[in-house]
Amino acid sequence: GQQLNQSPQSMFIQEGEDVSMNCTSSSIFNTWLWYKQDPGEGPVLLIALYKAGELTSNGRLTAQFGITRKDSFLNISASIPSDVGIYFCAGLVQGAQKLVFGQGTRLTINP
Amino acid sequence: GAVVSQHPSRVICKSGTSVKIECRSLDFQATTMFWYRQFPKQSLMLMATSNEGSKATYEQGVEKDKFLINHASLTLSTLTVTSAHPEDSSFYICSARGGGRGTQETQYFGPGTRLLVL
Repeated sequence: GQQLNQSPQSMFIQEGEDVSMNCTSSSIFNTWLWYKQDPGEGPVLLIALYKAGELTSNGRLTAQFGITRKDSFLNISASIPSDVGIYFCAGLVQGAQKLVFGQGTRLTINP
Repeated sequence: GAVVSQHPSRVICKSGTSVKIECRSLDFQATTMFWYRQFPKQSLMLMATSNEGSKATYEQGVEKDKFLINHASLTLSTLTVTSAHPEDSSFYICSARGGGRGTQETQYFGPGTRLLVL
C-alpha cells in the first residue's frame, strides 16, 4: 500500500531559525495536506495542495506539491515558540477515501 | 476553515460500560467521516470510514462490534465504545470531509476525545 516517509522525525532549533521538513512516497498523490498537532489536541490543517508544482504560503509557512506528485515539503520561516508541535503530512490518491499519513516531525524550539 | 467539533473532550468510565463520542461538522456537510485512534507519540491510526446513510468500513483489526459507528446525518457521526476495557483507553479523533468544492479533498479534524477506562 501507499506509504509516506516524513523527515526529519524530530528537530531541535533555536528561535528565529527556519525549518524545513518533507514527505516522500513511491506512490503518486493528487492532494497533499500539512497539519500541525499540539499536545492533547486534534490536527489542525495548515496548508492544502492540489496541483503538481503548486507553491502555497500561509503566513510564515510555505509548502510545495512536488512536480513528480510523489513528494511535498513544508518550510517555516523565523520560527517562534508557538511553532512547537508535531507536523504531519498527508496524501490522498485520486478516487481514494483514506488519507495516508507521514510519521510526523516533532519540532522543539529553544528560546 | 471548516470546523469539526467533538464531544466530550475527555471521559473517564468504569470497565464494562459503554461510551459514546459525538463528532459534528459545524459549517459544512460531511459526506464522509473518519474515526482515528492515536497512541502517545505516534501518528494517527484510522479505525473506520463512514459515509452518511451507509454502514461504516472498518480497518483490518478493528472490531466493528466493539466500536459502533453511526453516521445518521451529514453533520453528525458517533462512535460508541462498547463494554470498554482499560486497553481501550486512548485519544480518539474524528475527521470530516465535505462534498463541497472548497472542502471536497480536504479533511478537517475534531479536537479529539481522551478516553480513560478504569
